[in-house]
Amino acid sequence: DIQMTQSPSSVSASVGDRVTITCRASQGISSWLAWYQQKPGKAPKLLIYTTSSLQSGVPSRFSGSGSGIDFTLTISSLQPEDVASYYCQQTNSFPLTFGGGTKVEIK
Amino acid sequence: EVHLVESGGGLVKPGGSLRLSCAASGFTFSTYAMNWVRQAPGKGLEWVSSISRSSSFIYYADSVKGRFTISRDDAKNSLYLQMNSLRAEDTAVYYCARDNVDTAMLKDYWGQGTLVTVSS
Repeated sequence: DIQMTQSPSSVSASVGDRVTITCRASQGISSWLAWYQQKPGKAPKLLIYTTSSLQSGVPSRFSGSGSGIDFTLTISSLQPEDVASYYCQQTNSFPLTFGGGTKVEIK
Repeated sequence: EVHLVESGGGLVKPGGSLRLSCAASGFTFSTYAMNWVRQAPGKGLEWVSSISRSSSFIYYADSVKGRFTISRDDAKNSLYLQMNSLRAEDTAVYYCARDNVDTAMLKDYWGQGTLVTVSS
């Protein structure tokens, strides 16, 4: 099974700050990585797929990069509405696996 | 607009059974693979099971294999999860999620979830 390790588990930043979340796969997954945003009490929402493709309607301050084993989600300028938990997921093979999540808060 | 609405959750005793349903609308259900993903209280996301179009391929997480059964009824635009031999560790919100038609294993729409509580 492919293990997905996210860091940090939580981050507190000010409005306008750049926030970076990393996700590491236990083996190479090419570019088969997605990121989801989950606001408190809500269902997850797809943000980014195949590492760097932005889902329709997602603000351009979100971006993704990486390949192989190491991946990054960046919020270029943190906004209050970005308070949420973020999860990476490998879309390479079954069993499907998610990272443990990163909780983003406003300082 | 895509809508996924889960139902069937509730309180069940350890060893009991429950059947979850997911009603889909706003897209051609039969042409999409579908999934169940769960989230224990205060925890992260855990993939549970996937079913391909026409039910040709079915996959389960090891944690539920042999106890849970995924199925679909394309005539009713519905996805199901039959859960048997339930354990306390199965307590979670269960989400129905659609796979993207172009990128396999990518969940592009999610329902709001239904809570399953396993407790005596």
